[in-house]
Amino acid sequence: DTEVTQTPKHLVMGMTNKKSLKCEQHMGHRAMYWYKQKAKKPPELMFVYSYEKLSINESVPSRFSPECPNSSLLNLHLHALQPEDSALYLCASSQGGTSGATDTQYFGPGTRLTVL
Amino acid sequence: AQSVSQHNHHVILSEAASLELGCNYSYGGTVNLFWYVQYPGQHLQLLLKYFSGDPLVKGIKGFEAEFIKSKFSFNLRKPSVQWSDTAEYFCAVASGGYNKLIFGAGTRLAVHP
Repeated sequence: DTEVTQTPKHLVMGMTNKKSLKCEQHMGHRAMYWYKQKAKKPPELMFVYSYEKLSINESVPSRFSPECPNSSLLNLHLHALQPEDSALYLCASSQGGTSGATDTQYFGPGTRLTVL
Repeated sequence: AQSVSQHNHHVILSEAASLELGCNYSYGGTVNLFWYVQYPGQHLQLLLKYFSGDPLVKGIKGFEAEFIKSKFSFNLRKPSVQWSDTAEYFCAVASGGYNKLIFGAGTRLAVHP
């Protein structure tokens, strides 16, 4: 099973709202990722968690706040977003650990976020 | 910095035609190479990957890719496309210990019956 699930599928929020995106995997993977994909563009890495610790933050604005409460869950907390943050937010997971760059990332279906 | 180039942004083919999508990367060290596919309304799926060994790798749904180190290329091929292959195809490169994936801009393939 290579399934990564994400909720919600769609989210509409105002610029003053606080919301969270959730991602879950049960493959025993120890690395999890958040990507942002704008329309007709490739995914762009935002954050990487390895063994529940943040290992990469690609200079993402602080209005995006990731959290990894355990090895199966990854959240992305959203606050005071801008309309240009509207995009598809993808979660991925991989085995992690010493496999390093030979890892394969498996992607969830994404949450389509619209900021009004 | 690493980069990935996909030269064909849009490709239109008829069913049964052969497909080759180009992918070139810029990185001098050891890389791992991937092709992902995104069908309309669906999530990114792994088509195939190259880590080491035989430079000709076979993936799902009849796709294959060839790693040519001297040309920094990892082109995707399929001998005979089907309408169901209509999708966006992304080449991606990973290197280093953090498995940071860099994606190409994508190629949008449309296959007409």
